[in-house]
Amino acid sequence: AQTVTQSQPEMSVQEAETVTLSCTYDTSESDYYLFWYKQPPSRQMILVIRQEAYKQQNATENRFSVNFQKAAKSFSLKISDSQLGDAAMYFCAYGGSQGNLIFGKGTKLSVKP
Amino acid sequence: DTGVSQNPRHKITKRGQNVTFRCDPISEHNRLYWYRQTLGQGPEFLTYFQNEAQLEKSRLLSDRFSAERPKGSFSTLEIQRTEQGDSAMYLCASSSPGTSGFPTQYFGPGTRLTVL
Repeated sequence: AQTVTQSQPEMSVQEAETVTLSCTYDTSESDYYLFWYKQPPSRQMILVIRQEAYKQQNATENRFSVNFQKAAKSFSLKISDSQLGDAAMYFCAYGGSQGNLIFGKGTKLSVKP
Repeated sequence: DTGVSQNPRHKITKRGQNVTFRCDPISEHNRLYWYRQTLGQGPEFLTYFQNEAQLEKSRLLSDRFSAERPKGSFSTLEIQRTEQGDSAMYLCASSSPGTSGFPTQYFGPGTRLTVL
């Protein structure tokens, strides 16, 4: 069975600084996808970024980028130039052959002005 | 796209009562998913549909839970004889058939269930 682990329950960053959220996963599948979702307080979950496992190039979306280390089964999210609106729960998720997402427990990110 | 919508947004019920939630996916999305999220945890998969066919069910979906998507559009999730352990946020997501590989899932705002 696939698992997703987020070892940082909470993280804090100063506005305009950079922060990295960690995620590791376990799978025996060779074809899979990885995602970071953001869930602001009392608001719905939105997709931040996705990575196809067959692609060696790390995905980027504006201020968000990932460090995908397939051999190490690591998938971290880097947020550059942090903004107050980045404060939220961040979930790492795995998508494989079964079609559903498997989520980690999340990391609560606080942004200090 | 108007996004995934869920109703009601909040539901308070007494233990033993039945509840039903509705999810309307993004138009033309053929896959619809249900997840449950308890406090401090990530969402956990319950079930998903491709059109009207229910393709996967989690072991979390006990016989008190039933989901339907009768015409391949909206879906309902019913919980019979609710228990306090059913208190959670119930999330619905949908995905498009046009995406290659693993389609991105778009989430609704959720229905928060409180069982007294």
